[in-house]
Amino acid sequence: RKEVEQDPGPFNVPEGATVAFNCTYSNSASQSFFWYRQDCRKEPKLLMSVYSSGNEDGRFTAQLNRASQYISLLIRDSKLSDSATYLCVVNSNSGYSTLTFGKGTMLLVSP
Amino acid sequence: NAGVTQTPKFRILKIGQSMTLQCAQDMNHNYMYWYRQDPGMGLKLIYYSVGAGITDKGEVPNGYNVSRSTTEDFPLRLELAAPSQTSVYFCASSRDRGETQYFGPGTRLLVL
Repeated sequence: RKEVEQDPGPFNVPEGATVAFNCTYSNSASQSFFWYRQDCRKEPKLLMSVYSSGNEDGRFTAQLNRASQYISLLIRDSKLSDSATYLCVVNSNSGYSTLTFGKGTMLLVSP
Repeated sequence: NAGVTQTPKFRILKIGQSMTLQCAQDMNHNYMYWYRQDPGMGLKLIYYSVGAGITDKGEVPNGYNVSRSTTEDFPLRLELAAPSQTSVYFCASSRDRGETQYFGPGTRLLVL
């Protein structure tokens, strides 16, 4: 099982739709979880951290399921500006002592 | 705060040439990282540093070298450029292990 796995997409949705992405991770000892957003030809930027009890930031909701080792991101009322690649990020607890980035899920929101 | 800055934004190298990619952060972060991202692929860690004077290899260190003489700066050196090093290079920093990483705008490198 890869450390962090995501469906690459693309997910094509109309404006106003609700869309959800899932991500699975292999290391049960992982403690930190994040969703990053990466626009085309730009650097990744933190979208939100993911907390055990789940958390919401405006139209974005993140959930963590430790038992099944997956993280989800829900986007409500999609905007054209939400079109981007969403990266699932988990702290790896590997010898690198750093974060492991998934390859990302591409979202395309159309008018 | 400027955050994480990188220079140059874009560079074309000939095979065998060398160059240094510059990275600086003004957030007083201990941890700094270098990643490469190939088209359609995820980020791969090249090298990282946990503080001034301390560096370590990541997943794909071959063909690269780093140094960390100050907290602020973390340059990446390519000694003998090869076409396989054509990629986008991102520098990042974080306050501590496992915490949010902040990225620079990237350097696009083309080796011909």
